[in-house]
Amino acid sequence: KNEVEQSPQNLTAQEGEFITINCSYSVGISALHWLQQHPGGGIVSLFMLSSGKKKHGRLIATINIQEKHSSLHITASHPRDSAVYICAVRRETSGSRLTFGEGTQLTVNP
Amino acid sequence: NAGVMQNPRHLVRRRGQEARLRCSPMKGHSHVYWYRQLPEEGLKFMVYLQKENIIDESGMPKERFSAEFPKEGPSILRIQQVVRGDSAAYFCASSPLVGQGLEQYFGPGTRLTVT
Repeated sequence: KNEVEQSPQNLTAQEGEFITINCSYSVGISALHWLQQHPGGGIVSLFMLSSGKKKHGRLIATINIQEKHSSLHITASHPRDSAVYICAVRRETSGSRLTFGEGTQLTVNP
Repeated sequence: NAGVMQNPRHLVRRRGQEARLRCSPMKGHSHVYWYRQLPEEGLKFMVYLQKENIIDESGMPKERFSAEFPKEGPSILRIQQVVRGDSAAYFCASSPLVGQGLEQYFGPGTRLTVT
């Protein structure tokens, strides 16, 4: 079993829909990252969080440390949000290295 | 402030050749991480370096792979005698000094194809 599990693996939505991507992890962490990888392959860091909630534009990330769970929400989704969203954790015992989930492929149709 | 730079963006090598991948971190960043993304797989940690020091190389294959981050110049990931299984996207990320937060900023990646 992977230390970081994401669901769903694939998600198709209509433009304007509210989207949730989930991430569960099984190890103690010092931080959790949400990343976005576009079809061209580049990776953009969306959020780094260790507690609570962060918001940036239409994106919201939450984390529940006790339940070892994080969610990434996209409000009013748009076709340009189509990408792979990756959850990654920095383990308490592994210094700075990141351990990644397999990613969620999001497709938003117009 | 330019982001993390990687070159080349695409690299084709024949089996047995050497591949050198370069990563220039963001200005002011002294920590560099290398990650590999095999086709249809997730990202995997390879190595973590600070200037002139390898901090964590637990994700590096034991043979043929090496990394350095010299006092001057970019970080280099070197793969000797490449094999088809080395074909992957290699991403570099950098972060600022410890204490300023450890958010990692990713480069565009180098796509290595071994023929």
